[in-house]
Amino acid sequence: NAGVTQTPKFQVLKTGQSMTLQCAQDMNHEYMSWYRQDPGMGLRLIHYSVGAGITDQGEVPNGYNVSRSTTEDFPLRLLSAAPSQTSVYFCASSSSGLAEYNEQFFGPGTRLTVL
Amino acid sequence: GDSVTQMEGPVTLSEEAFLTINCTYTATGYPSLFWYVQYPGEGLQLLLKATKADDKGSNKGFEATYRKETTSFHLEKGSVQVSDSAVYFCALSDRVQGAQKLVFGQGTRLTINP
Repeated sequence: NAGVTQTPKFQVLKTGQSMTLQCAQDMNHEYMSWYRQDPGMGLRLIHYSVGAGITDQGEVPNGYNVSRSTTEDFPLRLLSAAPSQTSVYFCASSSSGLAEYNEQFFGPGTRLTVL
Repeated sequence: GDSVTQMEGPVTLSEEAFLTINCTYTATGYPSLFWYVQYPGEGLQLLLKATKADDKGSNKGFEATYRKETTSFHLEKGSVQVSDSAVYFCALSDRVQGAQKLVFGQGTRLTINP
């Protein structure tokens, strides 16, 4: 199993450009999410999905768009990049059973710089 | 809303020293609590967890006890190694409408010197 994969690893954008960060998992997990990591602020939830066709907003959704057409993939779109979106982005997935906690598995991250 | 506050870093220790990283939380209900570790250039990995009050999570020599009365989940290790150098995140899990969302503290960077 590859687990959770993210592409690209690094990206530099100019203000106003758009791009898509890719995330894929091969564990048949229903739950997927995107976080951004900024210095001194930990990780903050951007968007999440509890299954194909179902998405919802997290703590910091503005400026980002998501869709979930398959169980495996959960891309994150930046419609018009801004310098405030410079960050490291992590995708995570987990099963969504009835256990008290289902471990979330994280991808290696995408480091994005917006000039 | 729910929140997690953890010890400011960075923390620098010598090998074989005792480690404590403090973590306190604010939550409605009864969250599960976690410590995640991030090694340089990698994503986050679950280090240990506790799902109810008085539970002790442990892994790789690290321990943390879920203290409901003090709303704390401090991370401890008796003798650290250079390989423990990493960023450590305390987190809680909030289940909302079937989705399990993690709320993270700000992270504590730990450096162990030989």
